[in-house]
Amino acid sequence: AQSVTQPDIHITVSEGASLELRCNYSYGATPYLFWYVQSPGQGLQLLLKYFSGDTLVQGIKGFEAEFKRSQSSFNLRKPSVHWSDAAEYFCAVGAFSGAGSYQLTFGKGTKLSVIP
Amino acid sequence: NAGVTQTPKFRVLKTGQSMTLLCAQDMNHEYMYWYRQDPGMGLRLIHYSVGEGTTAKGEVPDGYNVSRLKKQNFLLGLESAAPSQTSVYFCASSYISGATLSTEAFFGQGTRLTVV
Repeated sequence: AQSVTQPDIHITVSEGASLELRCNYSYGATPYLFWYVQSPGQGLQLLLKYFSGDTLVQGIKGFEAEFKRSQSSFNLRKPSVHWSDAAEYFCAVGAFSGAGSYQLTFGKGTKLSVIP
Repeated sequence: NAGVTQTPKFRVLKTGQSMTLLCAQDMNHEYMYWYRQDPGMGLRLIHYSVGEGTTAKGEVPDGYNVSRLKKQNFLLGLESAAPSQTSVYFCASSYISGATLSTEAFFGQGTRLTVV
C-alpha cells in the first residue's frame, strides 16, 4: 500500500521569503502525486499534480513542485511567500490497486505560518 | 457548477444516536470517497466507491457504513455514534481519464460532527 510522509508539522516563514515543503512517498510504481491546500474551516483545493512527463510541475498561486524518483520526493516550492499563503498543506499519492480501484492517500499535513 | 456538495455542514449528536451524511456530485465521476480529518492526523480514508452499487473499506472503516445507490450520491452512515467519531468529514469524487490516465479529486466543504 502507498504512504506519504510530510516531515514538517509546522513551518514559519517571513513574508517574501522562499518556501519549500517536503513530501516523501512510498509506492512501488510511478504514482500520481498531488499537493492540496486547506485554509481554516475550508475544504481542500488542488495546487498541482504530477502523473507523467516533465518532473517540474507548475500549479496555481505561484507554486511549483519537483518529482524526484530517486529520492521518492515531491517537494512543494514557492519563491516568495505572501501572507495569504498561510494555511495547511497536504501532499497526497494516488495509486491503483490490484483490483482496479483507485485510492488517494494523504500525508498528515504541514501548517504554514507567515510572519508579516 | 456545484461540484461536490455535503449535507449537513454541522451536526451535534448524542452518543448512541445514528445519522447519515450525504455527498452529492454533479460531475459524473466514477470514484467517490469519504475521509475524516483529525488534528495532526491528516485525512484518513473511511470508505470509497469505484462505481454505482460498489463500496470498499478504507483505512478506518469501523463504526461506519456507506451506500452508493446512485452514481451521483455517496452516503456515510453512523449507526451508533461514539465520541471518537467527533471529526470533520470530507467527501471527494474523482475521475480517471482513460486516454491520458489523468486524475484529480474534488472535495466538498466538509461536515463538522461532534458526538457528546
